[in-house]
Amino acid sequence: TQLLEQSPQFLSIQEGENLTVYCNSSSVFSSLQWYRQEPGEGPVLLVTVVTGGEVKKLKRLTFQFGDARKDSSLHITAAQPGDTGLYLCAGGENSNSGYALNFGKGTSLLVTP
Amino acid sequence: DTGVSQDPRHKITKRGQNVTFRCDPISEHNRLYWYRQTLGQGPEFLTYFQNEAQLEKSRLLSDRFSAERPKGSFSTLEIQRTEQGDSAMYLCASSFRGIAGVYNEQFFGPGTRLTVL
Repeated sequence: TQLLEQSPQFLSIQEGENLTVYCNSSSVFSSLQWYRQEPGEGPVLLVTVVTGGEVKKLKRLTFQFGDARKDSSLHITAAQPGDTGLYLCAGGENSNSGYALNFGKGTSLLVTP
Repeated sequence: DTGVSQDPRHKITKRGQNVTFRCDPISEHNRLYWYRQTLGQGPEFLTYFQNEAQLEKSRLLSDRFSAERPKGSFSTLEIQRTEQGDSAMYLCASSFRGIAGVYNEQFFGPGTRLTVL
């Protein structure tokens, strides 16, 4: 069961444009992670957010965790073709037996020159 | 390279055959996870090990699937009597559970793409 909803599902933009993708859930997560995945490869971790309202920046990428720790957004400034990929958000709960991540379906981003 | 590695990267098999995949986690990581990803979906959790103990299994893990981590280092995932519905990317991830850690960043391997004909 996918507890995280990501939007939009697909996004095609031109180099230099800005964009925001969203990750929403009805559940509270103790932390939320963003990954980028390229075709035929495993997801690569971009960032982990833990505190409600937290904002983290990674070069041109800005990640925000909602105050209630149920939603998150990723904003990319001046997108480049190298940003093309599948962006996945994943939330986790620290249970007695582990910390399985629940993933959204992802936002597929295409940045054209 | 100290990342998570998986072998093989691709596997094509006929329905009914058994397949086995291997995952080598980051060396100091004590937690190891298996996920499955089908086209258009995010990864779905299958099972989890802390050291050599298998502590959690998803409902997705039917009795045809078995995973081991015999010495708390590498892990294997075996699928018996494969079915076409088993075709997917099988991903392995590892993390470190520290004393003070309440969350664990999981680092993924490149995956094994399974195609069942």
